[in-house]
Amino acid sequence: TQLLEQSPQFLSIQEGENLTVYCNSSSVFSSLQWYRQEPGEGPVLLVTVVTGGEVKKLKRLTFQFGDARKDSSLHITAAQPGDTGLYLCAGVGRDDKIIFGKGTRLHILP
Amino acid sequence: NAGVMQNPRHLVRRRGQEARLRCSPMKGHSHVYWYRQLPEEGLKFMVYLQKENIIDESGMPKERFSAEFPKEGPSILRIQQVVRGDSAAYFCASSLTRGIGGTEAFFGQGTRLTVV
Repeated sequence: TQLLEQSPQFLSIQEGENLTVYCNSSSVFSSLQWYRQEPGEGPVLLVTVVTGGEVKKLKRLTFQFGDARKDSSLHITAAQPGDTGLYLCAGVGRDDKIIFGKGTRLHILP
Repeated sequence: NAGVMQNPRHLVRRRGQEARLRCSPMKGHSHVYWYRQLPEEGLKFMVYLQKENIIDESGMPKERFSAEFPKEGPSILRIQQVVRGDSAAYFCASSLTRGIGGTEAFFGQGTRLTVV
């Protein structure tokens, strides 16, 4: 069974601080995605990483795929209250099945 | 280009009734996934379907739950004889067949099922 572990589960920090969220697995994934979910809405895709070691930037968000394609991180610089939400990582494994981690609930205090 | 459409957005059922949740994938998408989400939790995989085929239903309870994705029309998640524990948000996602960039799933806004 392929599993994704996200840490931390909850994170509450002050506006302007930096933070990193981790997504780890013992399995190899062909690609990995990060989603953000607002209350009452479905998850929205932020980024897909495909190549081991790949780094993608989306404004203040930096996503990295581990060299072995088993883990990923999301780094947010100078967090804003608008960054508040549930961040989910998802791995594409065997048979194109998409597996989600349980998410990191991020709260940015103004 | 409409996104993934789910209906209804909210569904209230009494215990013992049937719930039918519909999902129309994005145009051209032939892969559909159903997930369940309890409050304050992540998404739990239920079933993965391609047109007219169930590829993986390992996350779906063996009894009372069924899913289909017919050649024409939306994908349906059906829950028979609902119980209070079935109350959750059910999300559908769709994706294209696998491409160079990997499989990206686009989600609907979910159906919130409440069993009273």
